[in-house]
Amino acid sequence: DAGVIQSPRHEVTEMGQEVTLRCKPISGHDYLFWYRQTMMRGLELLIYFNNNVPIDDSGMPEDRFSAKMPNASFSTLKIQPSEPRDSAVYFCASSLLREEAFFGQGTRLTVV
Amino acid sequence: QKEVEQDPGPLSVPEGAIVSLNCTYSNSAFQYFMWYRQYSRKGPELLMYTYSSGNKEDGRFTAQVDKSSKYISLFIRDSQPSDSATYLCAIYNAGGTSYGKLTFGQGTILTVHP
Repeated sequence: DAGVIQSPRHEVTEMGQEVTLRCKPISGHDYLFWYRQTMMRGLELLIYFNNNVPIDDSGMPEDRFSAKMPNASFSTLKIQPSEPRDSAVYFCASSLLREEAFFGQGTRLTVV
Repeated sequence: QKEVEQDPGPLSVPEGAIVSLNCTYSNSAFQYFMWYRQYSRKGPELLMYTYSSGNKEDGRFTAQVDKSSKYISLFIRDSQPSDSATYLCAIYNAGGTSYGKLTFGQGTILTVHP
């Protein structure tokens, strides 16, 4: 397996634009996590799914953020409209229950 | 209060030093404890995993869990420059409505200089 695949690796967008981040988890994993990492706040859990169902989205900062997992092999995190304070590295991770979580390479988002 | 608290450092030590990294957590439902290591511009990778109180050793690394005080530690013996990275504690929620939730501490930036 190629591991967790995220795209794009880098995204630069203007304030107010819609941003969509994509993630392909490891085949067979039933948990998928979206995290945001900044120097100030560290690695924050935004939302996680179990068997494609969102379980806890209490970390999603605002209604501007939404996440979907239409099937076991694909998830998206959308920000609409984007703001400069959304600039961060966004990680997707997948795992089996209580097992090691494998992370993607991350998407470095810059909103100008 | 954050569910997992970790001193972000940064921590700078000379090669060969013993390093101690610590986290505290607040939710008793947490029962699985991990340490991840993250190199610059990479995703975190699992370093150690334990689910019981006490010590677990793996080479130069020792993970320690004290459930009574909700305190977890990672010790690195004979630290090497290649250990320079960000170390993150992580905890699985094994109970309640957030079963399966994986929460991280803020991460401690460690630099080991030759």
